[in-house]
This record gives sequence, structure tokens and C-alpha cells, in this order.
Amino acid sequence: DAGITQSPRYKITETGRQVTLMCHQTWSHSYMFWYRQDLGHGLRLIYYSAAADITDKGEVPDGYVVSRSKTENFPLTLESATRSQTSVYFCASSELAGVGQYFGPGTRLLVL
Amino acid sequence: GQQVMQIPQYQHVQEGEDFTTYCNSSTTLSNIQWYKQRPGGHPVFLIQLVKSGEVKKQKRLTFQFGEAKKNSSLHITATQTTDVGTYFCAGDGTSYGKLTFGQGTILTVHP
Repeated sequence: DAGITQSPRYKITETGRQVTLMCHQTWSHSYMFWYRQDLGHGLRLIYYSAAADITDKGEVPDGYVVSRSKTENFPLTLESATRSQTSVYFCASSELAGVGQYFGPGTRLLVL
Repeated sequence: GQQVMQIPQYQHVQEGEDFTTYCNSSTTLSNIQWYKQRPGGHPVFLIQLVKSGEVKKQKRLTFQFGEAKKNSSLHITATQTTDVGTYFCAGDGTSYGKLTFGQGTILTVHP
């Protein structure tokens, strides 16, 4: 039972590079979410998706792009990474809207 | 936009003491959820409260949702070292699952 997985777990990149963080869930949950966690800010929603091909912005979407061509995958792309995007990124999923979310293990991203 | 404030930011207790963290939203919520994150780990869903004035218990943990559906609390009775971690509340103002998280309360338990 893999649940929800994220890759890579750790990533170091340079300013201006494109980076894609992967998220995969095996539950066939309809809803998927991307959060970033920074000291002093808690968890902030970047993007969410209600189903394949349906995505919407969260609280802090600037500089990020998402897609969801398949229910089980929800990749997050940083088109041109900036130092301010250094953070821990968590993917989450839920079966329905407005119920508890299940989080992946996170990706620790450092932008130099 | 919706804001969720959580206090205290830190709490140090001796094992066996009680612990409470409080959460306040700037807007009325559809539901509120609580999560626990162990050091170096990921948030783990604990519970969801939906009804005004709702109280739920999970062993030593008691969760309350205010009458106005704008505040909530988590109380742990007789803390144990396994309770160590950060406790987050997360408010859902729309019921679409777009959560606004509080900043969390970091709980340290001294044996």
C-alpha cells in the first residue's frame, strides 16, 4: 500500500532553472493539493485539483505551474526557480472535498 | 482573505501535564481540521469538526469547535513523550477543501 509518494525527496537547484516535483497517489482520490511549508508561515496552499484536468490556484500560486492529466499524478513545476522558493513542499490528497487530507513525505528543495 | 491564528506558538510541558492549543479564524468556517506533524515528518490528519459546538474525543485528545464556527481548541490530557510534535489547525471556509492552516503549536514534552 504505497499511498501517496513524492519525488525527489531532496533537490538542490540553481536560480533560473526549471524544476518539477512529482506526486503520485494510489487511492484514486479525486482531490489533490500542493503546499509549501516555511518557518513562520506554516503550510500554505499553492494549487489544488478537484479532478483530472481541473486545477485552481491557492494562496501562493505565483511562479508555479501544475497539471493533472491523470487522477493519480499531480506534478508541480517551478518554471524559473528563485531563492524564495526554497522550502519544503508537501503534496496531499483527499477522497472528497472538505474532508481530511493525506500528506506525502515531502520534498525538500534548496534553490541556490 | 481568510486568516487562521493559532496560539501558543510553543509549549513546553512536563510529562503528565495537560496541553491546550487554540485556533481562531477571521471568517466563519465550514469545517476545521487538526493535524499533527512529528519533527522531520509530514502532517497527519487527526480529526475534522463540522458542527457548531461540536466536541470530539480521541483517547486523551479532546477537540472542540466553537458555537460561531470561528474558533477551535485541542486539549491533551496527561501528555506523554509520544505527543511531541507540531499541532496544526486548518480551516476550510468553503468546504471545497481549500485549507488555511494556522502557524502551528510546537509541543515539547519533558520526561
